[in-house]
This record gives sequence, C-alpha cells and structure tokens, in this order.
Amino acid sequence: NAGVTQTPKFQVLKTGQSMTLQCAQDMNHNSMYWYRQDPGMGLRLIYYSASEGTTDKGEVPNGYNVSRLNKREFSLRLESAAPSQTSVYFCASSTDGSQRETQYFGPGTRLLVL
Amino acid sequence: QKEVEQDPGPLSVPEGAIVSLNCTYSNSAFQYFMWYRQYSRKGPELLMYTYSSGNKEDGRFTAQVDKSSKYISLFIRDSQPSDSATYLCAMRSSGSARQLTFGSGTQLTVLP
Repeated sequence: NAGVTQTPKFQVLKTGQSMTLQCAQDMNHNSMYWYRQDPGMGLRLIYYSASEGTTDKGEVPNGYNVSRLNKREFSLRLESAAPSQTSVYFCASSTDGSQRETQYFGPGTRLLVL
Repeated sequence: QKEVEQDPGPLSVPEGAIVSLNCTYSNSAFQYFMWYRQYSRKGPELLMYTYSSGNKEDGRFTAQVDKSSKYISLFIRDSQPSDSATYLCAMRSSGSARQLTFGSGTQLTVLP
C-alpha cells in the first residue's frame, strides 16, 4: 500500500517551459487536492477534485490547470512556468469530504523555475 | 491579516521538555481543528484532530481548543529527538469540508 505517490521528486524548469506533475493514490479515495508550500506561507490549495470528472479552484489557481484522469490519478499542469511558481507541491487525497475526513499527503515535488 | 497565525519559531528544547505550540485564528466559523507533523523533505501527516472547544489527548500529545479566544494549542510531553519536525495547524468550517486553512508552521528541534 503506497498511499499517495508523486512524480517527479524534483524538477528544474526555465521560464516559459511547461510540465505536468503527476499524483496517484491507491486508497480508493474520492477527493484529491493540489497544494503548494512556500516559506512563511503554509500550505495553500491550488485545485481540488471532489470526484472523478470534477475539479474546482482553490485559493491560488492562477497559472495552473488540473486533470482528474480517473479515480486514482490527479495531475497538475504548468503551461508556462514562471519564477513565482518555484515551490514545493503536495498532492493529497481524502475519503468523501465528510466533516471528519482526513487528508493524506504525498511526499512532494520540489520545483525550481529559473 | 492571515486567517490563521502561527509562530514560525524555530523552537529548540532539551529532550524531556514540555513543548507548547500555538495558533490563533480570526474566522469564527472554524469548527474543526487539526495538527499535522511534517518531517524535513516529507509530506505532512495528521497528528491530532479535534472538533469545537476542549481537550483531546493521544499518548504524549494533547490538543486544546479555546473557541472563545480563537486559540488552539498542541502540547507535547516528554519530548523526544524524534519529535523534531515542523508542526502545522489547520482548520476548517462546517460548510467547507474540503477547504483546509493552514498555519505557516512551527519548526521544532528537540536536543538529545
């Protein structure tokens, strides 16, 4: 049971390049999330998906797109990377959005945009 | 002003000390409160979950919520070097099950 997995672990991009961050969970969870973590800012929600086929914006969605490919996989795409998108990105999943739901996090992807 | 304020530390204590970590918040709609532990270069993991005001104990950890003061705390008794991590508070209202608001985290080091 791997939980939440993310690829790649680390990536360096040049300004304007594009890339897709991959996330997969094997816990049969309905909801999945993408966060970014910056020093002094805590974790901020970029996008989330309550179920397969649905996605919604979080607190900081600008510059990102997401795809909920199936129940297991939720990808985050940067179409034209900017230095302001240098951050650590975490994917998370949870059961059904009930009041006592627990979010389980992946190990993170460190992204550096030059 | 941030909705959730957390002293970033760093906080350094000797092994065996009692540690107190705190968050204040401004949104009176928050009803569910969590503490996450994050080791260096790892993802956050849920440590404690509490609903509304009161205390909850789990081993060496106690979570305390004071809704009247909009203040939550995490106490660690008999702290161990393995407790060295960043501790993040998180909270949400009853109407937004998926929208967690996080504090910025407190970095704790327990010295052997």
